[in-house]
Amino acid sequence: GQQVMQIPQYQHVQEGEDFTTYCNSSTTLSNIQWYKQRPGGHPVFLIQLVKSGEVKKQKRLTFQFGEAKKNSSLHITATQTTDVGTYFCAGQSNYQLIWGAGTKLIIKP
Amino acid sequence: GAGVSQTPSNKVTEKGKYVELRCDPISGHTALYWYRQSLGQGPEFLIYFQGTGAADDSGLPNDRFFAVRPEGSVSTLKIQRTERGDSAVYLCASSETGPDTQYFGPGTRLTVL
Repeated sequence: GQQVMQIPQYQHVQEGEDFTTYCNSSTTLSNIQWYKQRPGGHPVFLIQLVKSGEVKKQKRLTFQFGEAKKNSSLHITATQTTDVGTYFCAGQSNYQLIWGAGTKLIIKP
Repeated sequence: GAGVSQTPSNKVTEKGKYVELRCDPISGHTALYWYRQSLGQGPEFLIYFQGTGAADDSGLPNDRFFAVRPEGSVSTLKIQRTERGDSAVYLCASSETGPDTQYFGPGTRLTVL
């Protein structure tokens, strides 16, 4: 079946370091969405990418959608403690939203 | 306006019992999704409603699980003969139309003893 692989599963960073998570789909996607889930919370929508090669920025967050519309990345510059949580990508194929397993961002004490 | 609400927030039940979980989507949202999430995992798709009908129920794990949305707004997820493996957080999400931006409720934590 259709899958979206997301890596890494965890990333430990010092505050101020950068963070990146990658998603790769087995099929071409109509769009890809990114969500953030804080510990104990529910997923919250961050952004949607639709166009091939699209790049969008939200302050320190940069989102990219690959040329083939099969992969995507989220990059956070200079992480802060408020960035802690799990970041999920979710790719739309037909009318289904296929979720990655998430990347947990952990700030080292 | 109000977001997606789910009740109860926590449900503890015994193995073999029947449970119902309720979801109130954002008013006017035609699409409604049920997911379940285990600790450390991403949301696992269960079922997708477009209006009153189930457009895709391929994620329901077996025939003990059933969901309805009779009037195209509130939805109920029903689990018969619960098993310990059903323990998880059950999330509901709604979107305006189809698989667009999804707005999640706070979830119902189901514990089967």
